[in-house]
Amino acid sequence: NAGVTQTPKFRVLKTGQSMTLLCAQDMNHEYMYWYRQDPGMGLRLIHYSVGEGTTAKGEVPDGYNVSRLKKQNFLLGLESAAPSQTSVYFCASSYPLAREDHEQYFGPGTRLTVT
Amino acid sequence: RKEVEQDPGPFNVPEGATVAFNCTYSNSASQSFFWYRQDCRKEPKLLMSVYSSGNEDGRFTAQLNRASQYISLLIRDSKLSDSATYLCVVRSGTYKYIFGTGTRLKVLA
Repeated sequence: NAGVTQTPKFRVLKTGQSMTLLCAQDMNHEYMYWYRQDPGMGLRLIHYSVGEGTTAKGEVPDGYNVSRLKKQNFLLGLESAAPSQTSVYFCASSYPLAREDHEQYFGPGTRLTVT
Repeated sequence: RKEVEQDPGPFNVPEGATVAFNCTYSNSASQSFFWYRQDCRKEPKLLMSVYSSGNEDGRFTAQLNRASQYISLLIRDSKLSDSATYLCVVRSGTYKYIFGTGTRLKVLA
């Protein structure tokens, strides 16, 4: 099992450019999440999905869009990158809460710099 | 007040020492509690879930005090490899996991 994987690992964008971050999981998890981590702050939820074809906004969704066309994949898009989006992005997945083992598993992260 | 608060540290302890971290949370309706470990420039990894009765995994012991709204992590016989940032995570809604900013631990030879 690869667990949760993310591509790319690093990216530098110019202001106004767009990009898509890909997250894939092979654990058959229903739920998937996108977080950003900034210095001095805890991870903050951008968007999440509770199943194929469904997405919802988290705490800091502005400037981002997501899609979950397949259960194993969750894409995060930046339509017009801004320097404030410079961050480390983590994808996570989990089983539904009805299961006792509903803890989150994280991908290795994507380091994004917007200049 | 932050929803989840941790002492940022760093805690510098010698090998073999016992060290304890506390974390407080503000939402009394919080339902699940976890400790994660995060190494520098890496992803958070689950260390252990925290149950009401307390639980132990080898050298690690986690406690939950719902009345006072805090959770703790005790590490006995610290190893150099325990050096990392420890994140307290509280689930306070169906999909709402609140992460603390983490406590840095450095175990010194």
